[in-house]
Amino acid sequence: GAGVSQSPSNKVTEKGKDVELRCDPISGHTALYWYRQSLGQGLEFLIYFQGNSAPDKSGLPSDRFSAERTGGSVSTLTIQRTQQEDSAVYLCASSLGQVAGGAETQYFGPGTRLLVL
Amino acid sequence: QQPVQSPQAVILREGEDAVINCSSSKALYSVHWYRQKHGEAPVFLMILLKGGEQKGHEKISASFNEKKQQSSLYLTASQLSYSGTYFCGTDNTDKLIFGTGTRLQVFP
Repeated sequence: GAGVSQSPSNKVTEKGKDVELRCDPISGHTALYWYRQSLGQGLEFLIYFQGNSAPDKSGLPSDRFSAERTGGSVSTLTIQRTQQEDSAVYLCASSLGQVAGGAETQYFGPGTRLLVL
Repeated sequence: QQPVQSPQAVILREGEDAVINCSSSKALYSVHWYRQKHGEAPVFLMILLKGGEQKGHEKISASFNEKKQQSSLYLTASQLSYSGTYFCGTDNTDKLIFGTGTRLQVFP
């Protein structure tokens, strides 16, 4: 079946511009996650959505970052007034349910490579 | 809160074995292992659950020591396709927090 999809696959923008990154999770998956991966680095948690609950925004690095999830499916990550240090691969993942206790696991999309000039 | 992985990098010849370790300062309920090839998304390998249950890969094994808050991934008779960066993820209030990663390179 279809996996997690993300768009665009690559984005080049100028410093100070806003960008929107899109994630389509696997159909039926109630949980959705955003991570950031800088060049050669690990996976940095950004934000987590679970059903209709309030999102866990504890990983967002600044108030320039925001995300929403409409209708419990598609999610958009918005970065306002982009800075060069925002350049990274932004990965989206989804899971059927909660990962707590190992009940489920996360499936990743291919990522969006963002370059801020 | 981020798990620590060791070693940071491993270089192997095809057929050799490797062990990758993941340690956490917090109590672990489950450990998830992923492999990421260059330019690709991380791919799920296995979950290790508190109590010993293991779900996932056929050719790669792992252990989970709840008392020591550690997990180890065992790659035996490595193949070229094993090359990539391995990440462990520990569940933290319904999301995974990933370790620092271990880069594995297997040469012929």
